[in-house]
Amino acid sequence: GQNIDQPTEMTATEGAIVQINCTYQTSGFNGLFWYQQHAGEAPTFLSYNVLDGLEEKGRFSSFLSRSKGYSYLLLKELQMKDSASYLCAPINNKLIFGAGTRLAVHP
Amino acid sequence: DSGVTQTPKHLITATGQRVTLRCSPRSGDLSVYWYQQSLDQGLQFLIQYYNGEERAKGNILERFSAQQFPDLHSELNLSSLELGDSALYFCASSVEAGYGYGYTFGSGTRLTVV
Repeated sequence: GQNIDQPTEMTATEGAIVQINCTYQTSGFNGLFWYQQHAGEAPTFLSYNVLDGLEEKGRFSSFLSRSKGYSYLLLKELQMKDSASYLCAPINNKLIFGAGTRLAVHP
Repeated sequence: DSGVTQTPKHLITATGQRVTLRCSPRSGDLSVYWYQQSLDQGLQFLIQYYNGEERAKGNILERFSAQQFPDLHSELNLSSLELGDSALYFCASSVEAGYGYGYTFGSGTRLTVV
């Protein structure tokens, strides 16, 4: 089975930093994805972690600890367009998403 | 354009009817996943195909079925439709099944059952 836990909602201020946590339990593990989804649109790829540690890509970074079943997505210099849902998805033989964290960025 | 093509983009149909949603994966991708997303809900995994064979099943209703054809396109069939089946249906494709080689989503089919 697979269990994924993320906060339901978060709010932050434009220009700030926000960290979205994800804890997971999976039978088998081949890495973890983070996706961004704006309302009514398709999810878009943000990051992929397969080894422990931090992966940085521009304003977005993702961290993975396999032993703890834990990942986070760090968003820096928040912009209004970052208001979206952020989906954590550990991979075994199929791609299952958590319920997502709805982030609202305010001026 | 993500390279994953879903048709139709919008579909309105009546309860009790049957519809077919189509997905053409990105060139070179062998694996296709189907997801259902109801309003303000998360992505619910329905089913996965890899190179024509069913690989994994999620919370797919018995009224729903899918297949992947030799040319790798996939179809999701929804029958005896109910109001609660109204949702966005996404398909995603990837090169390998279960590995992070890039899962790319289509723009979805918005199904409205009236």
